[in-house]
Amino acid sequence: DGGITQSPKYLFRKEGQNVTLSCEQNLNHDAMYWYRQDPGQGLRLIYYSQIVNDFQKGDIAEGYSVSREKKESFPLTVTSAQKNPTAFYLCASIGGLATDNEQFFGPGTRLTVL
Amino acid sequence: GEDVEQSLFLSVREGDSSVINCTYTDSSSTYLYWYKQEPGAGLQLLTYIFSNMDMKQDQRLTVLLNKKDKHLSLRIADTQTGDSAIYFCAESEGSARQLTFGSGTQLTVLP
Repeated sequence: DGGITQSPKYLFRKEGQNVTLSCEQNLNHDAMYWYRQDPGQGLRLIYYSQIVNDFQKGDIAEGYSVSREKKESFPLTVTSAQKNPTAFYLCASIGGLATDNEQFFGPGTRLTVL
Repeated sequence: GEDVEQSLFLSVREGDSSVINCTYTDSSSTYLYWYKQEPGAGLQLLTYIFSNMDMKQDQRLTVLLNKKDKHLSLRIADTQTGDSAIYFCAESEGSARQLTFGSGTQLTVLP
């Protein structure tokens, strides 16, 4: 079945450590997104990528980094520079003209910094 | 910049209708969306409406758009316990490639 997978579902890290969240899609979508969700604040855009080897900062990119070496994959690294990284992280993708009216979301990764 | 506002909480009795409201500021909005998020999960698109429409109905869901007041609503008829979730309103100027989300409304359905 086609879809977006995120792993792991739960992630714990110690302060000062970098951590990488995985996002993979087999929908052949060209654009991919990372959002952060905090209670009562909705979704905020961290980074997005419209094509392979290209990505742009969203509204809250500080303390995060991404890469897009393959169309199917868009990993997000939460660095030690991110001051408040505990949150729910959602990955999304969107495809060609036929499906340009829907962002498809993965199941999310809950990151907790100890 | 664009802003999308929603109330944070709504409680209804099972079997009643739910109405979730949303206001937006961007007069260039051309598409408006409703997404549903169940606990611990990603978002699922429920429906969307083009800005040149006033209403869209899909089974138990009715979307109303007042473009003059920049007000969007989602009505769920015969609300069931399975409808308990967070509902997000979102808008874009073009396709869904650049979405601005509201803060989400937590709908609780009481037995």
